[in-house]
Amino acid sequence: QKEVEQNSGPLSVPEGAIASLNCTYSDRVSQSFFWYRQYSGKSPELIMSIYSNGDKEDGRFTAQLNKASQYVSLLIRDSQPSDSATYLCAAERGGKLIFGQGTELSVKP
Amino acid sequence: DAMVIQNPRYQVTQFGKPVTLSCSQTLNHNVMYWYQQKSSQAPKLLFHYYDKDFNNEADTPDNFQSRRPNTSFCFLDIRSPGLGDAAMYLCATSKSGTSGVTDTQYFGPGTRLTVL
Repeated sequence: QKEVEQNSGPLSVPEGAIASLNCTYSDRVSQSFFWYRQYSGKSPELIMSIYSNGDKEDGRFTAQLNKASQYVSLLIRDSQPSDSATYLCAAERGGKLIFGQGTELSVKP
Repeated sequence: DAMVIQNPRYQVTQFGKPVTLSCSQTLNHNVMYWYQQKSSQAPKLLFHYYDKDFNNEADTPDNFQSRRPNTSFCFLDIRSPGLGDAAMYLCATSKSGTSGVTDTQYFGPGTRLTVL
């Protein structure tokens, strides 16, 4: 079992729809979780960080954390073609980030 | 603006010819990381510095070395690049609290290494 697992995708949604990206992690020691967006050929860019159970909203993005289920998700409302990218979920452990393999999102106009 | 800078952005080297990649930061973060990322894969941690303390991942090849002469700069040396070392190399920084838990990692733009 991988330490951080994501739906491999690609995930395709129409413009204006909600995109739902999911991530599970295996190590209960992890307390901090991050979503990064990575455009092709570019470096990862932080979208959201979440540390506590529940929801955290920032503009069109909502991160959800459920430590009991070891589950992290990212919702993107009103998806735009510019949101088309690979989304990386990461769990912090011992000062390091453990990355999932990423989910490729495609938003169709 | 505070940032993480990597130079060069693109590096072409010949098989076996040593290469050095550099990273600098103006964030005054005490932790710096080097990652290797190949196409369609997640970033793979090579090393990190916690202040001056060097931490090598167990599966990082001996061909890869790193130096951190001061807080702001960090270098990645590839002593004898092979074709399999062609990748994007990412530098990241973060701030560590007294508890040892690190804050968010911020990535530089990366250096794309091509090995001929």
